[in-house]
Amino acid sequence: DSGVTQTPKHLITATGQRVTLRCSPRSGDLSVYWYQQSLDQGLQFLIQYYNGEERAKGNILERFSAQQFPDLHSELNLSSLELGDSALYFCASSGPTGGAWTDTQYFGPGTRLTVL
Amino acid sequence: KNEVEQSPQNLTAQEGEFITINCSYSVGISALHWLQQHPGGGIVSLFMLSSGKKKHGRLIATINIQEKHSSLHITASHPRDSAVYICAVIQGAQKLVFGQGTRLTINP
Repeated sequence: DSGVTQTPKHLITATGQRVTLRCSPRSGDLSVYWYQQSLDQGLQFLIQYYNGEERAKGNILERFSAQQFPDLHSELNLSSLELGDSALYFCASSGPTGGAWTDTQYFGPGTRLTVL
Repeated sequence: KNEVEQSPQNLTAQEGEFITINCSYSVGISALHWLQQHPGGGIVSLFMLSSGKKKHGRLIATINIQEKHSSLHITASHPRDSAVYICAVIQGAQKLVFGQGTRLTINP
């Protein structure tokens, strides 16, 4: 158990809909990262937040947005969903430094999103 | 050509064998990560390297910055090592690029 929690575990929805994925980092970790893993594109980095502020941005679509709240949990919002958005979405957290990927990351179990 | 190439893509070995997984990249990087993804999907960060060599238990990771190459070695492999191993390189401050992964199967 990494100490990172993600909800829900599974999500099935229809094209055009909007969903919110939630992540709670390990106690004391200030950074949260979001990743997408699809069958055809593998793992991709989406975005990093550090202590409430966006710190690094990867291949995140404009239809996707994220935020980190004062209690450090984070939410990833996916809107106008398309079939190709079906994937595993992981969040990870890391410790006190704000640099991207300079600390060991602890991954959550992932949320499997299926868009029908 | 992908910026990060892993080889082999698939590897099957017998328990006890010495395993080597390679990661080559084509751009300058500031660091490299090795990740392990279990059959159930969970991901564990194994190593973060910017130079030299690191060891944790039966796992050893090396990196040669000049040759743009990293290796992950597993000594005395065990069926529980069966997983997908993924390398990821960090370019500059904000760009992270993943390899396609190496699927390792260790047979008893």
